[in-house]
Amino acid sequence: GQSLEQPSEVTAVEGAIVQINCTYQTSGFYGLSWYQQHDGGAPTFLSYNALDGLEETGRFSSFLSRSDSYGYLLLQELQMKDSASYFCAFHNDYKLSFGAGTTVTVRA
Amino acid sequence: DGGITQSPKYLFRKEGQNVTLSCEQNLNHDAMYWYRQDPGQGLRLIYYSQIVNDFQKGDIAEGYSVSREKKESFPLTVTSAQKNPTAFYLCATTPGLAEYNEQFFGPGTRLTVL
Repeated sequence: GQSLEQPSEVTAVEGAIVQINCTYQTSGFYGLSWYQQHDGGAPTFLSYNALDGLEETGRFSSFLSRSDSYGYLLLQELQMKDSASYFCAFHNDYKLSFGAGTTVTVRA
Repeated sequence: DGGITQSPKYLFRKEGQNVTLSCEQNLNHDAMYWYRQDPGQGLRLIYYSQIVNDFQKGDIAEGYSVSREKKESFPLTVTSAQKNPTAFYLCATTPGLAEYNEQFFGPGTRLTVL
């Protein structure tokens, strides 16, 4: 079957670094994406990894290891506006399958 | 101003009634998707469409129907056969089915069935 596992909640203080891990299981895999969703809002795209390694976009970085079926999203220099839910999603057969999401709470 | 429009933002219906959710886009994207999101959960794919007059079932299509008569529009009907329709419904697009690295989402419709 197909599955994605990510932690349900993470809390950190402003300025800290947070890593959200995502492990997946699927028979077909083309890449891993990350989306951010603020409460009541629409998801917005953060990053996409098709190959092993680290992709950096400003304060956010995403990593993929295809051999380990594992990826992570790294949030650096946390700001209050980063309080949101973060979803990993794998690409398979022209579709995205989303994890249940990780709620990140940033404290002052 | 390019984007995706979903209306209405909040929708209330009585149990047993069919309801149609609107999704319109002016991004000139070929592929469109419908997702359902329940509280504290991820997005689950209901239906998707690659081109006009063609669409495929997603993971939870039972109790839903769609049409794709125009490139810009992909309405979703929640039928009375859907056992638990109360949820947040999100429409998304990508330039093409094979170019789906980034999905663009509309603002969503929150459906409550009373």
